[in-house]
Amino acid sequence: GENVEQHPSTLSVQEGDSAVIKCTYSDSASNYFPWYKQELGKGPQLIIDIRSNVGEKKDQRIAVTLNKTAKHFSLHITETQPEDSAVYFCAATPIASGTYKYIFGTGTRLKVLA
Amino acid sequence: NAGVTQTPKFQVLKTGQSMTLQCAQDMNHNSMYWYRQDPGMGLRLIYYSASEGTTDKGEVPNGYNVSRLNKREFSLRLESAAPSQTSVYFCASILLAESTDTQYFGPGTRLTVL
Repeated sequence: GENVEQHPSTLSVQEGDSAVIKCTYSDSASNYFPWYKQELGKGPQLIIDIRSNVGEKKDQRIAVTLNKTAKHFSLHITETQPEDSAVYFCAATPIASGTYKYIFGTGTRLKVLA
Repeated sequence: NAGVTQTPKFQVLKTGQSMTLQCAQDMNHNSMYWYRQDPGMGLRLIYYSASEGTTDKGEVPNGYNVSRLNKREFSLRLESAAPSQTSVYFCASILLAESTDTQYFGPGTRLTVL
């Protein structure tokens, strides 16, 4: 089955700097890769996603890149702000089957220092 | 439109007690999921229901049962709670349409088993 590894487990950056979180996956059948942000005491919320037919996707200060050959994908946050502080999860799933069994990484706690 | 709702928010049980966690979504989604979240282990899938009337095991189903009561509701039951089931439980749902893959999460139930 699918296995997703996420690094680093914690990340501290100065406000205004960039943050990068990396995930690797094992199942070449996975073709959908969402990223979730979880604030304290809340459920995860989708912030960006990418399908395997696309190499990069950007939404304002957030971008995701995918390297299918190496089976890894990364989240990039530019111009970080204190409100970006949260736990971030990556996930991978094959969507062809229609069941969407997401496999999540173990999470990265991002701290943005003012 | 409340999205995904979960009850209760907090629960304390004694070993051997039983309880049911409730989940409901008002987005007309087809698939629903139960996850548990433990420190350093990300989100692990317990059970899921791809559509009304079907349920399947995820990664960590032992000690749990589920019921897809109707399209809106998906409950998780602990028949005889154990301390190892202390965790935060999240319910999620997804529409399952080609252009809409987002999995929406509820706010979570924090369960402590003494």
